[in-house]
This record gives sequence, structure tokens and C-alpha cells, in this order.
Amino acid sequence: KQEVTQIPAALSVPEGENLVLNCSFTDSAIYNLQWFRQDPGKGLTSLLLIQSSQREQTSGRLNASLDKSSGRSTLYIAASQPGDSATYLCAVPFYNQGGKLIFGQGTELSVKP
Amino acid sequence: DAGVIQSPRHEVTEMGQEVTLRCKPISGHNSLFWYRQTMMRGLELLIYFNNNVPIDDSGMPEDRFSAKMPNASFSTLKIQPSEPRDSAVYFCASSLDRGLNTEAFFGQGTRLTVV
Repeated sequence: KQEVTQIPAALSVPEGENLVLNCSFTDSAIYNLQWFRQDPGKGLTSLLLIQSSQREQTSGRLNASLDKSSGRSTLYIAASQPGDSATYLCAVPFYNQGGKLIFGQGTELSVKP
Repeated sequence: DAGVIQSPRHEVTEMGQEVTLRCKPISGHNSLFWYRQTMMRGLELLIYFNNNVPIDDSGMPEDRFSAKMPNASFSTLKIQPSEPRDSAVYFCASSLDRGLNTEAFFGQGTRLTVV
């Protein structure tokens, strides 16, 4: 069964700290990898999409990397702020599942002022 | 574009009643996904459509669940009869294509409570 796993499930850091969120997937045959943010009671907001041929993508203070061979992606958040507090989810469309997005369970991030 | 639009935002219904959730995808997107989110199971894909045709409904939990996409701008997810264990947040998402190097955009969700 193809799965996506995120570790840790929850993370609490002081404001200003740089942090890394991890995502692993069980099959390297993927179309892309997408990182989302979800605020409590809200929908999912797309943060970054890394194509299968890419190694990383950057948007502002966010940097996402992709290593297909090891089945891993990381989301790096620089100079964290309280407004970054949310749940971060990664999702992968696997080739042999017709491209449907399979989600990890998410990492709940809390940035303390 | 206003993004993916779902209605209603909240639904409270009694066990046994029929529930219909609605979704309007982003104009021009030809893939549509229905997800269910619970604390215990996270985000689960229920069904997805490509060009209005159901491609994979293996995530639909039971025959009580059905989904339709009569045209490119509208989809429904129906639960009949509803049960308390169906209580969850249901999300609709759309993308230009079914995951092929395109981003998925989510609606705000419908929070369903079955009492």
C-alpha cells in the first residue's frame, strides 16, 4: 500500500527559530509533491508544488526539497512567526494510483511569541 | 476566480436523513476530488472525477454515499441515509488535471454533524 507519513505529528518552537518538517512516501514513482497549510476550521491552502523532476521550490520564507530516490521531502520554514502556526500537510499523487492525491497526517506547528 | 466553492458550510442533520453537499470547481479545471477529514483518519479521498467521469470511487465508504458530476461546473456528494459516524468535514478540490504536475485547490469545506 502506498502511504505518506509526516513526522513529527506536532511541533512547538519559539518565534524566530528555523524549522524543518518532514514528509516520507513509500514509492518514488510520483508525479509531484505538494505542501499545504491548514488553519483550524479552514480549508487547505497550497504552499508549494515540486515537480517530480525538481529538487526544490522556494516561496518567501518557505523552501521545500524533494528526494524521490529516498522517498523524502522537507519543508523548511525560516525565521518562524506566530502566524505560521497551523497544520502542514504533504500530499503525493502516485503513478499507479491514477494521480489521486494521497495525504500525510500532517504536522501541527505552534510558534510561540 | 472565486476558487472552489462549497455549500453549505455547515450542516446539522438527524440520523437517517439525506444530506447533499455541493461543489463548484474552479473554471477550466477538469479534475474534481471529494475528501473527508476526521481527527482519527485524517484526509481520505472518497472519489475523483476527470472530465466529469468518475475515475476512482474506491474511497467511497458504503453504498450510502454517492457522487455525481453532471457538468464541468458542478458536483454533488450525497449521503442517504446519514449516520452519526458520517460526521466529518468534507472537502472538494479541483485541479487542471488529475495530479499531473498541477496544483490542487481546496474549498473551505462542509462541516457535517449527524445527530
